[in-house]
Amino acid sequence: DGGITQSPKYLFRKEGQNVTLSCEQNLNHDAMYWYRQDPGQGLRLIYYSQIVNDFQKGDIAEGYSVSREKKESFPLTVTSAQKNPTAFYLCASSIRSGLGYGYTFGSGTRLTVV
Amino acid sequence: GIQVEQSPPDLILQEGANSTLRCNFSDSVNNLQWFHQNPWGQLINLFYIPSGTKQNGRLSATTVATERYSLLYISSSQTTDSGVYFCAAINQAGTALIFGKGTTLSVSS
Repeated sequence: DGGITQSPKYLFRKEGQNVTLSCEQNLNHDAMYWYRQDPGQGLRLIYYSQIVNDFQKGDIAEGYSVSREKKESFPLTVTSAQKNPTAFYLCASSIRSGLGYGYTFGSGTRLTVV
Repeated sequence: GIQVEQSPPDLILQEGANSTLRCNFSDSVNNLQWFHQNPWGQLINLFYIPSGTKQNGRLSATTVATERYSLLYISSSQTTDSGVYFCAAINQAGTALIFGKGTTLSVSS
């Protein structure tokens, strides 16, 4: 079955450490996205990628980095520069950006700083 | 930029009741969507509804693009309807969805 796989489901990080969240899709989608969800805040866009080897900052990119070396993969690194990284992170993909429909979401990674 | 506002922020219902969720959006958008997030965090698309009315079982949605609002109707609510309902619209660059803060629905039996 086609879909998006995020791993791990739960992640604990010590302060000052970088951590990488995985996102893999087998839908042959060109566009991929990372969102952050905090209680009562909805989903906020961190980074998006319209095509391989290209990515753009979203509304809250500070303290995060991404890469898009393969069409299927869009990993997100939460760096030590991110002041409040504890949140629920969702990855999504679509056939291409700008369509406004056909988004598929992963099941999320819950990151906790200890 | 496009702003997406949802109301009410929280809603508590008894099983069997009906409800209406509202989404107001600024500027002109063509790609309004409604999503449901279940209690385990999975986000599922309910409707892609840039204008007009659509129905899917007990759920229906109406978007009046000229007045910049959309409504999601839930009839005969069930406990499985619980979760967070989001509306979203394409950002001005046309590159990604921008989400409202959501309406948290709790349906009790």
